[in-house]
Amino acid sequence: EPEVTQTPSHQVTQMGQEVILRCVPISNHLYFYWYRQILGQKVEFLVSFYNNEISEKSEIFDDQFSVERPDGSNFTLKIRSTKLEDSAMYFCASIEVQSSYEQYFGPGTRLTVT
Amino acid sequence: AQSVTQLGSHVSVSEGALVLLRCNYSSSVPPYLFWYVQYPNQGLQLLLKYTSAATLVKGINGFEAEFKKSETSFHLTKPSAHMSDAAEYFCAVSPPNFGNEKLTFGTGTRLTIIP
Repeated sequence: EPEVTQTPSHQVTQMGQEVILRCVPISNHLYFYWYRQILGQKVEFLVSFYNNEISEKSEIFDDQFSVERPDGSNFTLKIRSTKLEDSAMYFCASIEVQSSYEQYFGPGTRLTVT
Repeated sequence: AQSVTQLGSHVSVSEGALVLLRCNYSSSVPPYLFWYVQYPNQGLQLLLKYTSAATLVKGINGFEAEFKKSETSFHLTKPSAHMSDAAEYFCAVSPPNFGNEKLTFGTGTRLTIIP
């Protein structure tokens, strides 16, 4: 069964460093999302992406964050200058078509900022 | 703004007993509602969804949920718990639009099954 994959599974970085989290959505999916979950808290929406542009973003998704689909398969989340509070599990998700309702989630990347 | 509240961050049931995980939503219009399950070291997997069709929704692994507008609830149930049901369960809500809207999640309920 097709699945969403994410790399790396765990990333440790120092405060102020840039990180790129990578996702490979299911190949025929058209809508892409990033969510994050700080330990012990809710899964929170960060951003949605369609047709090579951001559809919606949350208040969390400030100028330090960016997303890109560089090559038609990967979907990346970049954090330019990481903060301690960026430590979280980051989930990528995708949907096939507009009315399919089911977001398929990847296994997540655990980001630890020290 | 939409939100969901999951009552009980931890629920323990005996193997073979009824599973009941509670979810209440807040929305100005009847929303779409979802239950996701997360097994250790895995992503979120959709258990079932309510998208304004039948109010009693059946999902995978024997789970079902009933949309009750009068109670603004979407509780998840399973008649007989199995050891493999031990996981984290998340209720989520989205606007009833085109199906590509963002999900708003609850805080999750960790289900433990007692042998």
